[in-house]
Amino acid sequence: NAGVTQTPKFRVLKTGQSMTLLCAQDMNHEYMYWYRQDPGMGLRLIHYSVGEGTTAKGEVPDGYNVSRLKKQNFLLGLESAAPSQTSVYFCASSYVTSGTGELFFGEGSRLTVL
Amino acid sequence: TQLLEQSPQFLSIQEGENLTVYCNSSSVFSSLQWYRQEPGEGPVLLVTVVTGGEVKKLKRLTFQFGDARKDSSLHITAAQPGDTGLYLCAGPTDSWGKLQFGAGTQVVVTP
Repeated sequence: NAGVTQTPKFRVLKTGQSMTLLCAQDMNHEYMYWYRQDPGMGLRLIHYSVGEGTTAKGEVPDGYNVSRLKKQNFLLGLESAAPSQTSVYFCASSYVTSGTGELFFGEGSRLTVL
Repeated sequence: TQLLEQSPQFLSIQEGENLTVYCNSSSVFSSLQWYRQEPGEGPVLLVTVVTGGEVKKLKRLTFQFGDARKDSSLHITAAQPGDTGLYLCAGPTDSWGKLQFGAGTQVVVTP
């Protein structure tokens, strides 16, 4: 039972490079989320998806794009990385009903932009 | 924007001591969740509180939801090194399950 799997776990980019983070879940969850975690700022929602083929902006979406072509996968893309995007990125999924659904998180992807 | 403020930011105690961490907001939440995050891992849900005044116990951890549903607390009795971690509170911002997180309280329990 893998749960939520993120790849890669670590990545170093140069400013202006692009990359994609992959999130895969095997729990048949409808809802998936991408958060970033920075010291002293908690987890901030980047983008989320309420089902296959749908995406929506969260609190800090600028500089990121997402796609949910398959129910089990949620991709986070950085088209032109900036040092401000240095962070730990977490993917999460949930069943979600009435806003009390438990979020299941991946182990995180640490991204450094030089 | 519903803001969740956690205090203290950092707490270091000896094994066997008690501790309390707080999660406060000026807004009413329909529910609040508490997560614990260990180094190198994602947060894991500890509990969800949904009723004002509700108290839930999870072994040595006691969670309370304020009567007005604007605040919550987590009390750990006789802390152990295994309780070390970042404790995060979170509340829903809408019915789609989007959660807003507090900045967290880093708890360190030394033997």
